[in-house]
Amino acid sequence: NAGVTQTPKFQVLKTGQSMTLQCAQDMNHEYMSWYRQDPGMGLRLIHYSVGAGITDQGEVPNGYNVSRSTTEDFPLRLLSAAPSQTSVYFCASSYFGGTNEAFFGQGTRLTVV
Amino acid sequence: DQQVKQNSPSLSVQEGRISILNCDYTNSMFDYFLWYKKYPAEGPTFLISISSIKDKNEDGRFTVFLNKSAKHLSLHIVPSQPGDSAVYFCAARGSGTASKLTFGTGTRLQVTL
Repeated sequence: NAGVTQTPKFQVLKTGQSMTLQCAQDMNHEYMSWYRQDPGMGLRLIHYSVGAGITDQGEVPNGYNVSRSTTEDFPLRLLSAAPSQTSVYFCASSYFGGTNEAFFGQGTRLTVV
Repeated sequence: DQQVKQNSPSLSVQEGRISILNCDYTNSMFDYFLWYKKYPAEGPTFLISISSIKDKNEDGRFTVFLNKSAKHLSLHIVPSQPGDSAVYFCAARGSGTASKLTFGTGTRLQVTL
């Protein structure tokens, strides 16, 4: 049982480059979300999705794009990387509503130079 | 505006003693609260939760207390073990916001021998 799988685990980008962080879950969860973790800031919600074809913005959406074409996958795209996007990114999934026991991936550590 | 606050960035407790981690919130519309545990280089994992209609939930060594009038919750770990050393995040869900979670900034717990 893989749970939530994120790739890559580490990435270094140059300012202005674009890339996609991949997230896949095999638990048939409707709800998926992306967070970033920064020192002293906790986990902040970037974007989320309540099902295939439905996405919405979280607390810190600027500079990021998402789409949800299938239940399993929820990629996060950085359009033009900036040093301020240096962070650890976590993808999470859960059943919609209910007790919200979200399952997290192992994270992607991104450095923008 | 930080709606979920963990005012203690770190806590050190001796093995076998009680660990008490605190969390305050400002939004009275939160209806569900969760605690997550995070080890270095791993994603957060769900620990325990409590509905806003309850004031206590217990699971083995872990107990969460909710004081709605004070907008305060706490996680008690008894007895503390070295393996409990991790960062603990408090999270809250707003009623009517589906599965969106708002996280605190985390408290690093160190259990010493």
